[in-house]
Amino acid sequence: NAGVTQTPKFQVLKTGQSMTLQCAQDMNHEYMSWYRQDPGMGLRLIHYSVGAGITDQGEVPNGYNVSRSTTEDFPLRLLSAAPSQTSVYFCASSYSLPGQGNTGELFFGEGSRLTVL
Amino acid sequence: AQSVTQLDSHVSVSEGTPVLLRCNYSSSYSPSLFWYVQHPNKGLQLLLKYTSAATLVKGINGFEAEFKKSETSFHLTKPSAHMSDAAEYFCVVSGGSGYSTLTFGKGTMLLVSP
Repeated sequence: NAGVTQTPKFQVLKTGQSMTLQCAQDMNHEYMSWYRQDPGMGLRLIHYSVGAGITDQGEVPNGYNVSRSTTEDFPLRLLSAAPSQTSVYFCASSYSLPGQGNTGELFFGEGSRLTVL
Repeated sequence: AQSVTQLDSHVSVSEGTPVLLRCNYSSSYSPSLFWYVQHPNKGLQLLLKYTSAATLVKGINGFEAEFKKSETSFHLTKPSAHMSDAAEYFCVVSGGSGYSTLTFGKGTMLLVSP
């Protein structure tokens, strides 16, 4: 069982370039989300989705775009990369809303480390 | 609104000694609380969770945490540290009506020396 798979693991961009971070899960989870992790800041929610066709903004959505055309995939798009987007990005999924009951455990990918020059 | 404060950014212990990682929370609702662990260059893994059942929660790898409503705390403990426990630990709170999102603490780095 692969769980949550993120690609690429590492990426270097120049300011202004665009790119997509891919996230796929094979656990039939309805909820998927993207976080960014910065030193001393913990994890901050960028965007999330409660099912195919439904997305919403989290705490720090500016400069990012998402879509959810299938249950399995939840790509994160950087529209015009900025140095402030240098970070480690984590995709996470859960069967139900995170934190709720026994099916709300979040499963994380191993992260995508992005550097914007 | 909800928030979580991890009181120590770094904790250093010797192998075989007890571990205490401190977490205080604030929530307008009856919260669910979690501890996640992140080993170097890895994703986060759930250690344990409190969801309004027993206030003393046991998790994986010998860790446990006690929910204390009067102190708004959810400290993580382990009787005897192992070298493999060296990692970053995150306290997380979930709560609210309607949809649910998680609020992460800023993390505590646990260093274990031989």
